[in-house]
Amino acid sequence: GDSVTQMEGPVTLSEEAFLTINCTYTATGYPSLFWYVQYPGEGLQLLLKATKADDKGSNKGFEATYRKETTSFHLEKGSVQVSDSAVYFCALFPYGGATNKLIFGTGTLLAVQP
Amino acid sequence: NAGVTQTPKFRVLKTGQSMTLLCAQDMNHEYMYWYRQDPGMGLRLIHYSVGEGTTAKGEVPDGYNVSRLKKQNFLLGLESAAPSQTSVYFCASSYGRLAGGPETQYFGPGTRLLVL
Repeated sequence: GDSVTQMEGPVTLSEEAFLTINCTYTATGYPSLFWYVQYPGEGLQLLLKATKADDKGSNKGFEATYRKETTSFHLEKGSVQVSDSAVYFCALFPYGGATNKLIFGTGTLLAVQP
Repeated sequence: NAGVTQTPKFRVLKTGQSMTLLCAQDMNHEYMYWYRQDPGMGLRLIHYSVGEGTTAKGEVPDGYNVSRLKKQNFLLGLESAAPSQTSVYFCASSYGRLAGGPETQYFGPGTRLLVL
């Protein structure tokens, strides 16, 4: 079945460091891909998305490119801030969406130190 | 717009007790969802609804019931709580297929439930 695998955390970085959080997926067809972010004590909110191969989603300095050849959607940011400390979830919405549900990875905790 | 709201924020139950979690959204979304979040498991879908009066099972529906009597509300019930239901519960909503797709979901702040 469809699934998402993302790197285990926690990821601990110093402020202004480069961030990569890896995400790979297994799915039939062409799913839509997402990154959601969960700040401490809050619900998830959409960070960025891509709906077809080679699309790049971007928001708040974060980027991710839909790579069908490697079935990946890695999240990157050039210079992280303390305020980026959160849990990041990679997710996919299956092709056709018959099940009407997002499939989430297990989440990666990012801790940015000043 | 309040977005998606959930009540209560936190609750402690004893094994065997029942309770209802309420989710409300003011975005006129067709679809609503209940998830549970557990350490190392990500989010797992419990039940969802594609419209008023409809419900469907997700990945982990056992021990839960839901109702969608009004479009803006989605209730999650635990008839006889068990310690395995200790979790953080998130409600989400989205547009339906005709309005741009259900892919982007809007989440509430969560309800933390502890079953002793």
